[in-house]
Amino acid sequence: AQSVSQHNHHVILSEAASLELGCNYSYGGTVNLFWYVQYPGQHLQLLLKYFSGDPLVKGIKGFEAEFIKSKFSFNLRKPSVQWSDTAEYFCAVTPGGSYIPTFGRGTSLIVHP
Amino acid sequence: SQTIHQWPATLVQPVGSPLSLECTVEGTSNPNLYWYRQAAGRGLQLLFYSVGIGQISSEVPQNLSASRPQDRQFILSSKKLLLSDSGFYLCAWSVKGGSETQYFGPGTRLLVL
Repeated sequence: AQSVSQHNHHVILSEAASLELGCNYSYGGTVNLFWYVQYPGQHLQLLLKYFSGDPLVKGIKGFEAEFIKSKFSFNLRKPSVQWSDTAEYFCAVTPGGSYIPTFGRGTSLIVHP
Repeated sequence: SQTIHQWPATLVQPVGSPLSLECTVEGTSNPNLYWYRQAAGRGLQLLFYSVGIGQISSEVPQNLSASRPQDRQFILSSKKLLLSDSGFYLCAWSVKGGSETQYFGPGTRLLVL
């Protein structure tokens, strides 16, 4: 079975700082990759996703993620965070052709104004 | 547009009592449906998934069961709750054969005393 590792469980940043959240997975075949975000008091929602093509994926609110197949990684980045980015972030992986995702443990991001 | 509802939003139940959490999806047909439990620092644990009416697959053997009596209705149940069943339960749906993006409901917070 595949597994997903998010290395940073808690991240605290000041506004305008750069962000990179790590996500690594263990699965040798084709994968679909996702980042979800849960803002305080809101539903868990999709931030961005990768299925194929350009390995650099852009999502909502200035987030992007890069799929590096050789490293089995799908790290999330944002050049300059805002207080409103305070949320919990989850990486998820679904093997190609499957409809069963595996989620990482999540990263809690706190951005100080 | 599609919407997903869960109720109740919050539930406090004594140990040994039964449980029924309901999830309904509107605006789509024949979705894949999922039940997750979200625990702080432990990510999302997939409990059950369903690809059609009456078709339930369990990911984790435990005190819970699921049913899908109608196409867009997914129910999580227990005959006798345990303290360890406390948590935040999320329902989600995805489009069959699509991107397998998960669309999450607002969740139910269950406290077993």
